[in-house]
Amino acid sequence: EDQVTQSPEALRLQEGESSSLNCSYTVSGLRGLFWYRQDPGKGPEFLFTLYSAGEEKEKERLKATLTKKESFLHITAPKPEDSATYLCAVQALSGNTPLVFGKGTRLSVIA
Amino acid sequence: ETGVTQTPRHLVMGMTNKKSLKCEQHLGHNAMYWYKQSAKKPLELMFVYNFKEQTENNSVPSRFSPECPNSSHLFLHLHTLQPEDSALYLCASSQGGYQETQYFGPGTRLLVL
Repeated sequence: EDQVTQSPEALRLQEGESSSLNCSYTVSGLRGLFWYRQDPGKGPEFLFTLYSAGEEKEKERLKATLTKKESFLHITAPKPEDSATYLCAVQALSGNTPLVFGKGTRLSVIA
Repeated sequence: ETGVTQTPRHLVMGMTNKKSLKCEQHLGHNAMYWYKQSAKKPLELMFVYNFKEQTENNSVPSRFSPECPNSSHLFLHLHTLQPEDSALYLCASSQGGYQETQYFGPGTRLLVL
C-alpha cells in the first residue's frame, strides 16, 4: 500500500531561521511527488512536482529535493508569510492511480 | 472568475437537510475531483470525473451523491448527513486524469448539527 509520512507535524521558526520539512514515502514505482501549500480555510496551492531522484526545484525561499525514499522542502530565511501547512503527495507509476497525501506539516514563522 | 471556485464557502446543516455544493473550474480541464479534509487526517479522495464520466467512487456513503453535467461544473449533493461528515470539502481539477497536476478550489467548510 502506498504511504506518505510527513515530519515534523508542526514546526515553529523564527524569521530568518532556515529549516527543512520531510516527506517519506513508500510507493510501488514513483510517477511523481507533489508539494502543496495550504493556508487556513483555503484549498491547497500547487508548489512543485518532482519526478526522479536527484531532481530539485526552487521557488523564492523554497527548494524541494527528491531521493528514492523521501523528499525535503527546504525553507531558506523564512518570513511570517511562509506560515502555512505544507502537504506532500505521491502518485504511483502503475496504472491510473490517485494521489496519496500525507497529513502535512504546519509551519509557523514568528517575526 | 479564474481557477477553481466553490460555493458556498461555509454551510451549516441539520442531519435531515438536503443541500448541494457547487464547483466550477475556469481552467479548461477535463477531470474534476471531490476530496474531504478532516482535522489531523490526510486528504481523502471521494469522487473523480474524467470527461464527465465517473471513474472513481472511493467507497463513499450514499448520502453523498456527485453530479457532473459538463467538464466545467461539479456538484456534491448532500442528504441525511451525520455529524462526523463535518469537514472541509475540496474540489480540484486537472487537465487530464490522475497523471496531471491537480488545482484546488478554496473549499466549503461544512458543519453538520
